[in-house]
Amino acid sequence: AQSVTQPDIHITVSEGASLELRCNYSYGATPYLFWYVQSPGQGLQLLLKYFSGDTLVQGIKGFEAEFKRSQSSFNLRKPSVHWSDAAEYFCAVIRGFGNEKLTFGTGTRLTIIP
Amino acid sequence: EPEVTQTPSHQVTQMGQEVILRCVPISNHLYFYWYRQILGQKVEFLVSFYNNEISEKSEIFDDQFSVERPDGSNFTLKIRSTKLEDSAMYFCASSGGQGAGDTQYFGPGTRLTVL
Repeated sequence: AQSVTQPDIHITVSEGASLELRCNYSYGATPYLFWYVQSPGQGLQLLLKYFSGDTLVQGIKGFEAEFKRSQSSFNLRKPSVHWSDAAEYFCAVIRGFGNEKLTFGTGTRLTIIP
Repeated sequence: EPEVTQTPSHQVTQMGQEVILRCVPISNHLYFYWYRQILGQKVEFLVSFYNNEISEKSEIFDDQFSVERPDGSNFTLKIRSTKLEDSAMYFCASSGGQGAGDTQYFGPGTRLTVL
């Protein structure tokens, strides 16, 4: 069965510093990969997605992610975080055979300090 | 921008009672989903729905759960007899018919509290 691992439960970063959130997946083929963000009391908002092609994908709010097949990873990055980026971040995958279920990681909670 | 809406935002119920959670997916979408998130845990898939029938369901989605698209706009999740462990945030999502890997758009969620 496919699975998604986010090894960092909680990360604290200073405002203006760079950010990298880790995501590893376990699946035989290349799945379709997503990053969602959940602000307190809010739903899940899509940041970016990877289906195929260029392994570096750009998303909203200045985020990007890089797919590395050799490492089964899809890490999320931002060069300079803002206080409004404080939220929970979820990596998710689908098998890619259709409009199928998302399998989510456990999430990484991001705290921003002044 | 079109969005998925859910009502109510918070539902409190007694154990054993029936609840219906409502969702209005994005209007031209064809695929509908329910997920749940128990406090402090990850988001889990419950069920997907296409062409007026369930296309996939998880082990969580037992006989106590049902889904329905009663009209052209609403998508509902019914829990027949709630248990304490059903307390969670329930998210509805929808996606279009553009083929594999289409993006799922999520609603803001309904927080269900079972007492």
